[in-house]
Parts: sequence; structure tokens; C-alpha cells
Amino acid sequence: SQQGEEDPQALSIQEGENATMNCSYKTSINNLQWYRQNSGRGLVHLILIRSNEREKHSGRLRVTLDTSKKSSSLLITASRAADTASYFCATDGGDSSASKIIFGSGTRLSIRP
Amino acid sequence: KAGVTQTPRYLIKTRGQQVTLSCSPISGHRSVSWYQQTPGQGLQFLFEYFSETQRNKGNFPGRFSGRQFSNSRSEMNVSTLELGDSALYLCASSLGTAHSYEQYFGPGTRLTVT
Repeated sequence: SQQGEEDPQALSIQEGENATMNCSYKTSINNLQWYRQNSGRGLVHLILIRSNEREKHSGRLRVTLDTSKKSSSLLITASRAADTASYFCATDGGDSSASKIIFGSGTRLSIRP
Repeated sequence: KAGVTQTPRYLIKTRGQQVTLSCSPISGHRSVSWYQQTPGQGLQFLFEYFSETQRNKGNFPGRFSGRQFSNSRSEMNVSTLELGDSALYLCASSLGTAHSYEQYFGPGTRLTVT
């Protein structure tokens, strides 16, 4: 089964609005990463957040991590058409298998003009 | 700096055959990981190589194998192909271990098994 599960599975918003995606995972982690995948640029790394960090920003992206709830969220502000893509969270397996990266099932984000 | 390259980009094989996929990482990157992506199972970790050593392996049968060369280039091999092996195979490289460093993905190899 997947370590990380994104919610919602699909999201459609108007250009300019904010988009929030959530990721829940099952075991303890060392790091959590967010990736974006679209047909034009393939799979691209967005942000890596470590287990001792609570929030991280990169441009219009904001990631939070709550290890007590085993969850993370990705906020994209002022969305653009180019943000249309699938977004995945990826976690390591915790102490027992730290090297193994486990991807969630993804959130498909569509930006309406 | 050149990105991660994968060859071939597309491949059609018949059940029972074997296939070898190649990945050239970004210069200076020592870790190469392989993933299988299918509509049904999503992105699944195959294995990671670091300095020619396999660091970890996902839950795939022994028909899936890989190796890394001294120049960090990596190959993965799938023997006795099954229809269910049809997928996009992605390779990623990173400076250090995949779970602690940003991974750079190649465009993938689309494998179709008939």
C-alpha cells in the first residue's frame, strides 16, 4: 500500500485562486518531498521538508508538515495555467528503510482560465 | 548542465523477451534511482544505486535487476517480460541518497509489452 496518500484526488480551480493539496502518510519519516508532473516537463522536484521543519516556502509554494498528524500540505498561491499538473508527495520509509522513496497517488490539479 | 537522459524513449517488446534500459545521470550525481509508473499502481520505487552499490530495492520480482557503472550511469534489466510490465520507467539522479536530496528525473522510457 502507498505510504503517502494525497487528498483530493482531483482539484479544479479558477486561475488566480489558491490551491491546497494534502498528503497523509503512515509511518515516521525523515523527509517529505513534493513533486509535480506534467506532460511538458515530466516529473519535477518542488520542495523537500525535513521532519524537524514545520513550514517551507519556495516562490508561490508553501509546504507545511505536521509529524504528529503524519500529514503535509502544499499550497500554491495565485495559480496560473502552467500549474496544471499532477502533484505527488514522496516520503522515505522511516528508520527501517530510509532509502526507499514512496510516492503517493497524486492530486490532479486543473487551472481554468 | 545536461539533465538526466534515458534511452531508448520508446520500446515495444513481446512477452517473454528481456529488455535493458539505460540512464545517464547529471554529471557529479552519485545516486541513481529507478521507478515504474502505471495508471493502476502509480509511481513505484524499483531500486537505488549509490557509488555502484544497490542501496535499496522495492517490492518487485527478481526479474527486475539493475546495476550502476563507475561513471554513475545505470542500467535496468527486465527479463521474461509480462504484459503487466508495460509502463513508463523513470530514472532519477541526485547528489546524495534519494530520500535526502532533490531528485532530477529523466523523461522516461515508455515500455509496451505485447
